[in-house]
Amino acid sequence: DTGVSQNPRHKITKRGQNVTFRCDPISEHNRLYWYRQTLGQGPEFLTYFQNEAQLEKSRLLSDRFSAERPKGSFSTLEIQRTEQGDSAMYLCASSSGTGVGNQPQHFGDGTRLSIL
Amino acid sequence: AQSVTQLDSQVPVFEEAPVELRCNYSSSVSVYLFWYVQYPNQGLQLLLKYLSGSTLVKGINGFEAEFNKSQTSFHLRKPSVHISDTAEYFCAVSFTGGGNKLTFGTGTQLKVEL
Repeated sequence: DTGVSQNPRHKITKRGQNVTFRCDPISEHNRLYWYRQTLGQGPEFLTYFQNEAQLEKSRLLSDRFSAERPKGSFSTLEIQRTEQGDSAMYLCASSSGTGVGNQPQHFGDGTRLSIL
Repeated sequence: AQSVTQLDSQVPVFEEAPVELRCNYSSSVSVYLFWYVQYPNQGLQLLLKYLSGSTLVKGINGFEAEFNKSQTSFHLRKPSVHISDTAEYFCAVSFTGGGNKLTFGTGTQLKVEL
């Protein structure tokens, strides 16, 4: 179990630029989640995948945001035309999604995005 | 819709003293409950979870929590804290049929002092 890996750890960019983050989940986990955490707040759900299918998207995920999980392995989160309000920590988590009950999510260390 | 309230934004406590971090939730359906800890510039680490069964749940690092359905609470406790417990603690809830997505509280900063 190598844990959830996120890259890059930090990203600084100018307003209006596009950014892409990558998440590599724990290998045997079929569910993958993206959350956004702003300063002083708890993480907020953005979207989740079961295998390669994106099953739910939060209303927080505007049309400038897109997430993919090709082949049900790693995932990418892209933000187009970044705005000041996009500055946050973007967290990825994974879990197994079979069996009875909810399985706990394992989080990566996040990508901190700063918009200049 | 589900919601989570963490009543205390900050809790200062002396080392070796007991601590309780409060969490209340609101949901019209059955829920699963979690406590996570976050150290600076890191992701979240699972402390403990309640899925079903015994209402007293024991987790890592000596933490425990008790699920109280009538009071819709899931308070986190530790009988004796250590300096290394200084961190942000988040209570979270998910619900059956909800795809396992988590709804978090706003967090409680635990500061352990000598």
